Amino acid sequence: SQKIEQNSEALNIQEGKTATLTCNYTNYSPAYLQWYRQDPGRGPVFLLLIRENEKEKRKERLKVTFDTTLKQSLFHITASQPADSATYLCALDDLSGSARQLTFGSGTQLTVLP
Amino acid sequence: DAGITQSPRHKVTETGTPVTLRCHQTENHRYMYWYRQDPGHGLRLIHYSYGVKDTDKGEVSDGYSVSRSKTEDFLLTLESATSSQTSVYFCAISGLAGGSDTQYFGPGTRLTVL
Repeated sequence: SQKIEQNSEALNIQEGKTATLTCNYTNYSPAYLQWYRQDPGRGPVFLLLIRENEKEKRKERLKVTFDTTLKQSLFHITASQPADSATYLCALDDLSGSARQLTFGSGTQLTVLP
Repeated sequence: DAGITQSPRHKVTETGTPVTLRCHQTENHRYMYWYRQDPGHGLRLIHYSYGVKDTDKGEVSDGYSVSRSKTEDFLLTLESATSSQTSVYFCAISGLAGGSDTQYFGPGTRLTVL
């Protein structure tokens, strides 16, 4: 069956360090992989999208890699700040269905300690 | 923020009563989605719409129905609420800009079924 796994439910790191979050998937052939941020009591907010033929995408302090051989995406936040504390969700789009549906992982809760 | 509102934002109801949640968008996006979010399960797709009067089931559609009579409104109905439907419900929209499927989420509705 199809499965998306995000590493550890919670990740604590020290301010200034690089946070690395992992998204692994099985039995998917995603065309796109997306990362979202969710703060408590709010809806997810889109951060980055990477296509299957792209290896890496950057946006300011964020970097996403996508390895279709390993079936894995890594999400990096460099020079992390307490304001980066949130839950981060990965989502896959395999182009199936009438609408372009995303399947979400359960998220990793990141806490950046001052 | 994308122009998405959800109503009500909070609701407490009793088992067996009908409940309707409303999602309203001002973006004129074609695709609309209803998700539920539960601890340990992440976001799961309930139903989605790919146009006025065009809807389809998602992963967890049992016990839910939807309607879309106008581009801007997508209604989710629980015909007879059960305690297992206690959850946070998110609406999302997508416009397929540039071939990608970034989804924009509403603020969520917290539903408690007693």
